[in-house]
Amino acid sequence: DGGITQSPKYLFRKEGQNVTLSCEQNLNHDAMYWYRQDPGQGLRLIYYSQIVNDFQKGDIAEGYSVSREKKESFPLTVTSAQKNPTAFYLCASTAGQGGRAPQHFGDGTRLSIL
Amino acid sequence: GENVEQHPSTLSVQEGDSAVIKCTYSDSASNYFPWYKQELGKRPQLIIDIRSNVGEKKDQRIAVTLNKTAKHFSLHITETQPEDSAVYFCAASWYNNNDMRFGAGTRLTVKP
Repeated sequence: DGGITQSPKYLFRKEGQNVTLSCEQNLNHDAMYWYRQDPGQGLRLIYYSQIVNDFQKGDIAEGYSVSREKKESFPLTVTSAQKNPTAFYLCASTAGQGGRAPQHFGDGTRLSIL
Repeated sequence: GENVEQHPSTLSVQEGDSAVIKCTYSDSASNYFPWYKQELGKRPQLIIDIRSNVGEKKDQRIAVTLNKTAKHFSLHITETQPEDSAVYFCAASWYNNNDMRFGAGTRLTVKP
């Protein structure tokens, strides 16, 4: 969907560095999500946000942080505390409240360690 | 919380054959079950979904069945084509909960 834009497409992190992945949507969706995908594995939920200024931890939130200051934006920061950050990161959004609608995904950001 | 298991992890079929992927879920409150297709290096895309008030849904060569009692749902692809080759994910979520859980994925290979 062109409605969700993730940037950058590729990102490299140095030891001890924090990096921020951008996710913007123009679909007017309320809920936004961040997933981590490792090679040959499924999608693991990092954080999700149902409304502005509110977010919840997913299954693997340690070493990550998020903010939701605007409805359109849900940036993810990979902190130095995340010791194994190499993965494919996907952002998604959903219209409305409740788990009744499909998720729309961005094109992803591939993060690697230098 | 919800736990979704998906089988098989890999599936290889001959072009024209059918493919079936199965998922089970743990939370009986789950009532929305989408399926996504992810081609290599691309975003997952919704291909079909089903809600708990329906037992089966079809869209051309793709169908999904749901057994609420047994807490499992399946994706059926008939007359497979090489372009069906991808990783397929099932997912489950429930009303009033934006926390959707995904299966580990099935890598489908359709041999010409």
